[in-house]
Amino acid sequence: GIQVEQSPPDLILQEGANSTLRCNFSDSVNNLQWFHQNPWGQLINLFYIPSGTKQNGRLSATTVATERYSLLYISSSQTTDSGVYFCAVEGAWSSSASKIIFGSGTRLSIRP
Amino acid sequence: DARVTQTPRHKVTEMGQEVTMRCQPILGHNTVFWYRQTMMQGLELLAYFRNRAPLDDSGMPKDRFSAEMPDATLATLKIQPSEPRDSAVYFCASGNPAGANVLTFGAGSRLTVL
Repeated sequence: GIQVEQSPPDLILQEGANSTLRCNFSDSVNNLQWFHQNPWGQLINLFYIPSGTKQNGRLSATTVATERYSLLYISSSQTTDSGVYFCAVEGAWSSSASKIIFGSGTRLSIRP
Repeated sequence: DARVTQTPRHKVTEMGQEVTMRCQPILGHNTVFWYRQTMMQGLELLAYFRNRAPLDDSGMPKDRFSAEMPDATLATLKIQPSEPRDSAVYFCASGNPAGANVLTFGAGSRLTVL
């Protein structure tokens, strides 16, 4: 099945810094989503981005499907950005239709 | 505000007991997923459904876990008998029907098996 790798596994930054999180996947995808899990465990969908670029406030994401990677950018980090960021993908082949699997996440800690 | 509802939020039980977790997906969503997360680790896919039909439950220990969707408003995940290694947070998520399958997660059910 499709493999999803995220890097770095951990990231510690000062408030105000910028960060780039990466998601690599091993095969063609129909669907790629980014999630934030806050310190209370809630999972929030940030972006649906199978290709192209999207922006939402200080967050933006870019997926280059032909090269099988996606990037999540966080600018001017705030302490509320802390948590774990997950990338999730759905493979493009019929054998994996609707099957959405997650990477192992990047744990981001923003220091005040 | 549409949301995925999971019950119970917390469950503590003794080893060997049956545990049933329930999920009410967002009305109109046609895909439902069950994931397990241990110690803030990655999300492990246990099973998923489309239009109430199970598509894949290969992530579940078959001898003790079962997942069903008796109707469009209810998905259940059952563990019988439960074991201490089943202690985890179990998340349910549902996907919208517009082809994009954008997931909305419930708050999770935290299970502790003693």
